[in-house]
Amino acid sequence: GNSVTQMEGPVTLSEEAFLTINCTYTATGYPSLFWYVQYPGEGLQLLLKATKADDKGSNKGFEATYRKETTSFHLEKGSVQVSDSAVYFCALRVYNAGNMLTFGGGTRLMVKP
Amino acid sequence: GAGVSQSPSNKVTEKGKDVELRCDPISGHTALYWYRQRLGQGLEFLIYFQGNSAPDKSGLPSDRFSAERTGESVSTLTIQRTQQEDSAVYLCASTKPSGSPETQYFGPGTRLLVL
Repeated sequence: GNSVTQMEGPVTLSEEAFLTINCTYTATGYPSLFWYVQYPGEGLQLLLKATKADDKGSNKGFEATYRKETTSFHLEKGSVQVSDSAVYFCALRVYNAGNMLTFGGGTRLMVKP
Repeated sequence: GAGVSQSPSNKVTEKGKDVELRCDPISGHTALYWYRQRLGQGLEFLIYFQGNSAPDKSGLPSDRFSAERTGESVSTLTIQRTQQEDSAVYLCASTKPSGSPETQYFGPGTRLLVL
């Protein structure tokens, strides 16, 4: 089946620190990969996505590269801000396997000033 | 409305009671999804509606769970004879017709606690 594993949180960083949140996956087909973010009190929002190997998704200073050889899609940001504090979810979707997303367990990021 | 809305935001119920959760998708969105998130875990897919097609119910965990949607409007998720393991946040998402299926817009969720 399909599954997503991401590092457990919480991840606590100081402002301007470098962020990496690891995500690895297993899939029965060829997946598209996503990062969603949930800010406090808000719904999940799509942060970025990549639909094929070696693609790099980017948004709001965040980046993630689709690595087929290591089945990974790690999220990175060079300099985090307090406003980045949220829960981040890695997810995948396999074409021709329905339209549902398979999510990881989420990683809470706390950025301190 | 501006986004997907869900009600109630919180629900506390006693084991064995039935509960009904509501989702109002973004106007014009043809697809609607229900997910469940247990504490400390990822989102689990429950059910998917696309227009007037038969829903994909492959994620419903038991026959105590059911969902309805009329056309492209409101959806209700019903859990009968609730059990403590049903305690979770239930999330609804919808997708606009011209967007890719991946761009799901999520509601804030209903937090269900079964005592």
